[in-house]
Amino acid sequence: DSGVTQTPKHLITATGQRVTLRCSPRSGDLSVYWYQQSLDQGLQFLIQYYNGEERAKGNILERFSAQQFPDLHSELNLSSLELGDSALYFCASSGPTGGVRSPLHFGNGTRLTVT
Amino acid sequence: LAKTTQPISMDSYEGQEVNITCSHNNIATNDYITWYQQFPSQGPRFIIQGYKTKVTNEVASLFIPADRKSSTLSLPRVSLSDTAVYYCLVGDMRGSSNTGKLIFGQGTTLQVKP
Repeated sequence: DSGVTQTPKHLITATGQRVTLRCSPRSGDLSVYWYQQSLDQGLQFLIQYYNGEERAKGNILERFSAQQFPDLHSELNLSSLELGDSALYFCASSGPTGGVRSPLHFGNGTRLTVT
Repeated sequence: LAKTTQPISMDSYEGQEVNITCSHNNIATNDYITWYQQFPSQGPRFIIQGYKTKVTNEVASLFIPADRKSSTLSLPRVSLSDTAVYYCLVGDMRGSSNTGKLIFGQGTTLQVKP
């Protein structure tokens, strides 16, 4: 168990809809990362937050947005969904700074199916 | 941002040692090298991390030459359950860093045969 919790595990919705994916990082971790993994594809970096602030953006569509709350949990919002948004969405967290090189710890993902 | 290059796939047999090499020619001073294992429909799992020379833990060893432009993950005596995708990730793990884009390459699909 990585300590990273993602909910829901599965989500089925229709095109045009909006969904919210939730991530609770490991206790004490300040950074949250979101990745998208389509079928037979690699992990595509979407966005990173550190202690509530956006730190890095990857290939995140304008229809997607995220935030990290004061309690450090994060939400990824996907709107105007298209069939191509069907994928596994992973959240990962890593520890604070201070000379410690903390690796990423991943949750088990949310499988989104857009029909 | 250091780009990584790995072989797309590798085959091995149970009981053999497997070495997977990752090239990262433009690795930066603050970058660490981390390897992950991913099974289908699961999140990647941390295997090992290093900065230079050699690191060993209970599941693998990581060899990093002095120039740090490549690294080799060594899996001793693999079993069928080691069949997975292995990712090499190079980056600055400090969460507060502005170089927070931790981008995975395509990974190496290891197939272990009986």
